[in-house]
Formats: sequence, structure tokens, C-alpha cells
Amino acid sequence: SYELTQPPSVSVSPGQTARITCSGDALPKQYAYWYQQKPGQAPVLVIYKDSERPSGIPERFSGSSSGTTVTLTISGVQAEDEADYYCQSADSSGTYQGVFGGGTKLTVL
Amino acid sequence: QVQLVQSGAEVKKPGASVKVSCKASGYTFTGYYMHWVRQAPGQGLEWMGRINPNSGGTNYAQKFQGRVTMTRDTSISTAYMELSRLRSDDTAVYYCAREGIAVAEGKDYWGQGTLVTVSS
Repeated sequence: SYELTQPPSVSVSPGQTARITCSGDALPKQYAYWYQQKPGQAPVLVIYKDSERPSGIPERFSGSSSGTTVTLTISGVQAEDEADYYCQSADSSGTYQGVFGGGTKLTVL
Repeated sequence: QVQLVQSGAEVKKPGASVKVSCKASGYTFTGYYMHWVRQAPGQGLEWMGRINPNSGGTNYAQKFQGRVTMTRDTSISTAYMELSRLRSDDTAVYYCAREGIAVAEGKDYWGQGTLVTVSS
């Protein structure tokens, strides 16, 4: 089955830039989405269609795509950004099959 | 305002079935897919499938084929997810989440989650 690969953890100091990658063979053909999840809460959409930001999401969140890798960038990280981040996309063959990456724990030092 | 309100926590025995509901309000129910996503304790998000409330058409993750059934009742703007032949590793929080059908801009609203515990 199709898989998206994320690093298990990323650590940055406040004010620094965090980059979280997500790799998958179908990413050149399928959009990627990013979700933030804090403990005990439902996920929140922070990036859609690779690089679009929903209303209400701070400008420090951005997304980009290059080949089989998409990247979530958080500029000027704040303590409140500490959370799990998941990329999500779909298989590019046949019937729609959604998939989430394994998640990345962002720690703000 | 958009709301997705899920049914309450369930405790089930192995081999039983569970049916979780997700009542939508504040938007046109038939204009958005309803996805179901689960999260086992301490684990990541897992996509289970989606239903098109307009047509009733479904797409299920291969892992759950034959065990999951997603339905909807448009008269009360409610989607349902039924999982059968429950095992202990089905213990998880189950979420519903909407996504536009005409324009796929991500799962922008989620339910509060329903904890399903499978234990003998």
C-alpha cells in the first residue's frame, strides 16, 4: 500500500525556522495537505493543496513541493506551535485511497 | 457556524460491531465528502474511508474493506461509520471530517472524536 514518510521528530528553538518533510511517490501527481494536532484535540488543517493557507492560519506556516517531497515550513516558531504534524495525500492509481504520513513531533526547545 | 457532532464513547467486546454517528450543521451536507479517520492511543492518524453524501458512493481503505460500512441520512444531515468484527487493536478515537467535493481544499472541519474501546 502507498506510504508517506515523515521524520519522527524535529526540534527547534523559539524564533527559528522548522521544516518538516513528507515523501511519497505519488506526490508529483496528488496534492498534499498538512494537519496540526495538539494533545487531546482534533487535527487542524494548516496547509492545503501543497502551499495554500486556510483563513485563520498564521502567515508563518507555509508549504512547498518539489518532486516526491513536500515540506511544511514554520518561520519564527513559537511555543504554541509545539504539536504533532501530519501530511496527507492520496494514491494516484485507481480508486481513491487517502493516506496520512506517520506524523512528526515538533518540539520547541 | 459549521459543526460536526459525533456520538458518545462506546465499549464493545471483541467480535461485536460499533456504529458511530456524525451530525453536520451549518453547511450544505451534500456538498462535502465525509471522511472517517481513526487514531489508536499514542499512534498516528489513519484514514478509513469517505462517503459522498450526495450520491452515497464510498471509498474504503483497503485495510478495512469488508469490515467497514459508511452510510448517510441526508434528511438529518448525519453520516455513519460502522465497523464490524471488532478486535482489541480497533481501540481508538474515531473522527469524522468534511472535505469539499467540487473543490478539494482539505479536511477543514472535524468532529470532536468518539472513543471506541474494545475489551473483553
